[in-house]
Amino acid sequence: ETGVTQTPRHLVMGMTNKKSLKCEQHLGHNAMYWYKQSAKKPLELMFVYNFKEQTENNSVPSRFSPECPNSSHLFLHLHTLQPEDSALYLCASSQPGQANYGYTFGSGTRLTVV
Amino acid sequence: GENVEQHPSTLSVQEGDSAVIKCTYSDSASNYFPWYKQELGKGPQLIIDIRSNVGEKKDQRIAVTLNKTAKHFSLHITETQPEDSAVYFCAAYGGSQGNLIFGKGTKLSVKP
Repeated sequence: ETGVTQTPRHLVMGMTNKKSLKCEQHLGHNAMYWYKQSAKKPLELMFVYNFKEQTENNSVPSRFSPECPNSSHLFLHLHTLQPEDSALYLCASSQPGQANYGYTFGSGTRLTVV
Repeated sequence: GENVEQHPSTLSVQEGDSAVIKCTYSDSASNYFPWYKQELGKGPQLIIDIRSNVGEKKDQRIAVTLNKTAKHFSLHITETQPEDSAVYFCAAYGGSQGNLIFGKGTKLSVKP
């Protein structure tokens, strides 16, 4: 375990479903990130939160909706996804402004959209 | 903004040989360069990093070198073992963007 826990590990959903991905860290970090990892774009930054505030949205479609209720938890709400959204979704954390101490990643959620 | 290029995209070596992965970056203000290893079914994990005030860093069988003038850095793995097989990512931080910028990854295969 890295200290960043993601659930579920695997998710299969239909295009009309609504589901949520969860990320939890107990490292005392105050910055959290969502990445999409696919064969075409290996590590694609989606969202950044610093102290619960969203500081970056990397032109992500609105069918992905992040939520950060506190510094330890991060969610990614999914609705009306497309098959091309199938990928590994990774959560990471760090200290804000201290990415030069590295990111800690979770093991990811493998999402399949059918 | 920062751009990180990583080569090669795939690398196959025989057990016991050395492996070298190279990255270049574009923003001269970048000052921190981590390397991540991603095994199958897991997220990327930090294996070694280097800061811009150092030219080389070593940790057992892995080492990283940094050439600030040329803006490139490399990962060296000696005496490779099958368990070194994974995808390796380089990254750069500290330039105009506030986040780590990752390379596209290198899939390393170590054949027994």
